[in-house]
Amino acid sequence: KAGVTQTPRYLIKTRGQQVTLSCSPISGHRSVSWYQQTPGQGLQFLFEYFSETQRNKGNFPGRFSGRQFSNSRSEMNVSTLELGDSALYLCASSSDLLGSYNEQFFGPGTRLTVL
Amino acid sequence: TQLLEQSPQFLSIQEGENLTVYCNSSSVFSSLQWYRQEPGEGPVLLVTVVTGGEVKKLKRLTFQFGDARKDSSLHITAAQTGDTGLYLCAGADSWGKLQFGAGTQVVVTP
Repeated sequence: KAGVTQTPRYLIKTRGQQVTLSCSPISGHRSVSWYQQTPGQGLQFLFEYFSETQRNKGNFPGRFSGRQFSNSRSEMNVSTLELGDSALYLCASSSDLLGSYNEQFFGPGTRLTVL
Repeated sequence: TQLLEQSPQFLSIQEGENLTVYCNSSSVFSSLQWYRQEPGEGPVLLVTVVTGGEVKKLKRLTFQFGDARKDSSLHITAAQTGDTGLYLCAGADSWGKLQFGAGTQVVVTP
């Protein structure tokens, strides 16, 4: 099976702009989660989507939003970018099957730099 | 909020040495996962431990889940340069929601 793919791999934006990141999960996985990773804060959970519905949400401002499509692909949007949004954004999919313990399969991430 | 603390934050050893990384919490977890992340890549799942006191071995890596399911350790025997990476633990609550630790950066030098 192909792994989780994320596009683009690198992005440079300026403050105030918005950005959309894309994630394609492993075939058959219906749960997609997004994380922000920075050297200072580590891996922080943004939100999780399952069957096109947001199932869990972390403690991030409303500028961070996401959605999931019927084919399980997911997008994450950040509006009004701030310097502090510079980070590695990771997408992970999970089979969500009973006994899978929500094991996460991560993509390579999108490195976002805000200038 | 369940907080996971990992120690040490950074570990530098030479090839052939042994090392242990710890993951501790005051809360009980339903299960605990260990991941390794290499530069420029996403974390990769190494193992999931579920039962208190459980020990799992993956070649030179030994994972242990505490009896009370509040802590875990990862022991690497005879480390190799390929073991270099950021080791992350993640605890799951009864709903499956994950909480990640800050990670331990391991550097193995030749």
